[in-house]
Amino acid sequence: DVKVTQSSRYLVKRTGEKVFLECVQDMDHENMFWYRQDPGLGLRLIYFSYDVKMKEKGDIPEGYSVSREKKERFSLILESASTNQTSMYLCASSSTGTGFQPQHFGDGTRLSIL
Amino acid sequence: DAKTTQPNSMESNEEEPVHLPCNHSTISGTDYIHWYRQLPSQGPEYVIHGLTSNVNNRMASLAIAEDRKSSTLILHRATLRDAAVYYCTGREGGSEKLVFGKGTKLTVNP
Repeated sequence: DVKVTQSSRYLVKRTGEKVFLECVQDMDHENMFWYRQDPGLGLRLIYFSYDVKMKEKGDIPEGYSVSREKKERFSLILESASTNQTSMYLCASSSTGTGFQPQHFGDGTRLSIL
Repeated sequence: DAKTTQPNSMESNEEEPVHLPCNHSTISGTDYIHWYRQLPSQGPEYVIHGLTSNVNNRMASLAIAEDRKSSTLILHRATLRDAAVYYCTGREGGSEKLVFGKGTKLTVNP
C-alpha cells in the first residue's frame, strides 16, 4: 500500500517562528501536494510539485514556500508563522501515469500558532 | 476553473442506501470525476472514479449524468463506519491539480 507520512500529527509554534512541515511518500510518485483544511472551507491547495526541484503555486500560496530536493520528500515552510496559519495541513502524492491515478493522503498535521 | 458543489450535510439510517449528489459543470469532458472520503482524524481516501458511464467497486457505485455536469455517489447499505465527509473532485485543466469543494458530511444513524 502507498504510504504518505507526515512528520507530526500535532505541532504548536509561536508567531514569527519559521516552521517546517515534512512529508514523505514511499511509492516513487512524481507528484506531491500540500493542502490546508479549515472548517467550512474544505481542502485548499497551497503548493504542488510534479518533479524534484519543481513547484507550482496552488490557490493560497501566500505566506508559504516549499522544497523538494528528493523525489520522496516534500516540505512546506511557513517563513514567519502567523495565527491565521493555524490549520490542518494535509500532504498527498500521486503518480503521473496513463489512466486514472488517485491522490494518496497523509493523516495530516494539526498546526497551532500561538 | 473546475468547480464542484455539494450539499453541506446529509443524514441516513444504518442499512439504508445513501445517494450523495455533486454538481461539477466545469470539469472538462476528458477528465475523470473522482470521489474521496475523510473519516474523523484521518486524511481523505480514494473511493471511486469514473469518466462517462456508471461504475461500481467494493466501496460504492458512481452514477454519472449523461451531460457529465453532475454525478451521484451511492452507498448501497450505509454502515456507521461510512460516517465521513465525502468530496467529489476533478482535475483542473491539463494539470495534476484536483479541485475540492467543501464536501458533504454524512451522518449515519443506528
